[in-house]
Amino acid sequence: GENVEQHPSTLSVQEGDSAVIKCTYSDSASNYFPWYKQELGKGPQLIIDIRSNVGEKKDQRIAVTLNKTAKHFSLHITETQPEDSAVYFCAASDTRGSQGNLIFGKGTKLSVKP
Amino acid sequence: EAGVAQSPRYKIIEKRQSVAFWCNPISGHATLYWYQQILGQGPKLLIQFQNNGVVDDSQLPKDRFSAERLKGVDSTLKIQPAKLEDSAVYLCASSRSGNGELFFGEGSRLTVL
Repeated sequence: GENVEQHPSTLSVQEGDSAVIKCTYSDSASNYFPWYKQELGKGPQLIIDIRSNVGEKKDQRIAVTLNKTAKHFSLHITETQPEDSAVYFCAASDTRGSQGNLIFGKGTKLSVKP
Repeated sequence: EAGVAQSPRYKIIEKRQSVAFWCNPISGHATLYWYQQILGQGPKLLIQFQNNGVVDDSQLPKDRFSAERLKGVDSTLKIQPAKLEDSAVYLCASSRSGNGELFFGEGSRLTVL
């Protein structure tokens, strides 16, 4: 089955700096790669996703890149702000079937210092 | 649009007792998921429903966990008897189909003593 590895487990940056979180996956059939942000005491919330027919996707200060050959994808946050502090999870799934079961990484705790 | 509702938010029980969690998904969402999130880890799928039918329950410990989704709307997840290792946050999520964005509730935190 699919296995998703996420690094680093913790990341501390100064406000205004960039943050990069990396994930690798094992199942070459996976074709959907979302990123979720989880604030303390809340459920995860989708911030950006990418499908296997696209190499990069941007939404304002966040971007995701995908390298299908190497089976890794990354989240990039530019001009970080204190409100970006949270736990970020990458995930992967094969959506061609009816299940679409997301396999999550273990998370990265991002701290943005003012 | 109202989000995914879950209750209770917190529950503390002794081992071997039983507990039930309730979830009301976003209106119109056919797919409903229950995830278990142990402290410091990512969510792990327990069971997925499409309307009121089970799509995937391969990771549900069926000797102690059960779930149902009557009438294809609300769902309950039950644990009986609970073990110490069941201490976790139980997240309910829903999606319009089985292949897109998941919308999560705030979760039900279970502590088993």
